[in-house]
Amino acid sequence: QVHLVQSGAEVKKPGSSVKVSCQASGDTFSSYSMNWVRQAPGQGLEWVGRITPAFGTTDYAQKFAGRVTITADVTSSTAYMELTRLTSEDSAVYYCALGALARLDPWGQGTLVTVSS
Amino acid sequence: QSVLTQPPSASGTPGQRVIISCSGSTSNIGSHYIYWYQHLPGAAPKLLIQRNDQRPSGVPDRFSGSKSGTSASLAISGLRSEDEADYYCATWHETLSIPVFGGGTKLTVL
Repeated sequence: QVHLVQSGAEVKKPGSSVKVSCQASGDTFSSYSMNWVRQAPGQGLEWVGRITPAFGTTDYAQKFAGRVTITADVTSSTAYMELTRLTSEDSAVYYCALGALARLDPWGQGTLVTVSS
Repeated sequence: QSVLTQPPSASGTPGQRVIISCSGSTSNIGSHYIYWYQHLPGAAPKLLIQRNDQRPSGVPDRFSGSKSGTSASLAISGLRSEDEADYYCATWHETLSIPVFGGGTKLTVL
């Protein structure tokens, strides 16, 4: 059974960047895509992007294109999501989730990113 | 504005049956499987229903899913207080080539 563990909460200044990690246990890391989904306060779930480690390919939601970079280190089964040029609207809980298409399971515990001056 | 449309709220009393709807289009629900996620307060979202109507291992049979055309629904029978959560539908969007979520339905157990 795969288990995803994310890095801790972050507080960032507007205009800065944040990099969140997600480490997977088990041997399925390279078999599926690692997705990133966020939930802003009072809002619903929003897909940010994904990486497919087996092919080294990435896909991003158009809304975040140019600001988000998702990478993966297969040797440590860890995925990273970096978001740049942060604004207060990027304050959210960011989740990683393993899966294909819209089947996302399991999910990480979430990482709270707060953007505040 | 979410691509998939869900009612913002639903409620029921313990033991009742509640149905949550999810409406889309031929580009998403009409072309792909629907998935449902349960998001309890303070926890990570959990896959509740996969491939329209299948329950992953460990999900009680009180939860069931269905799909017809460009709409889907999640039914919860024998409602319990621990079912109080946000529920999201999700599917693949053919044109956008990304997964899309509904806006979520907050279920209150009265």
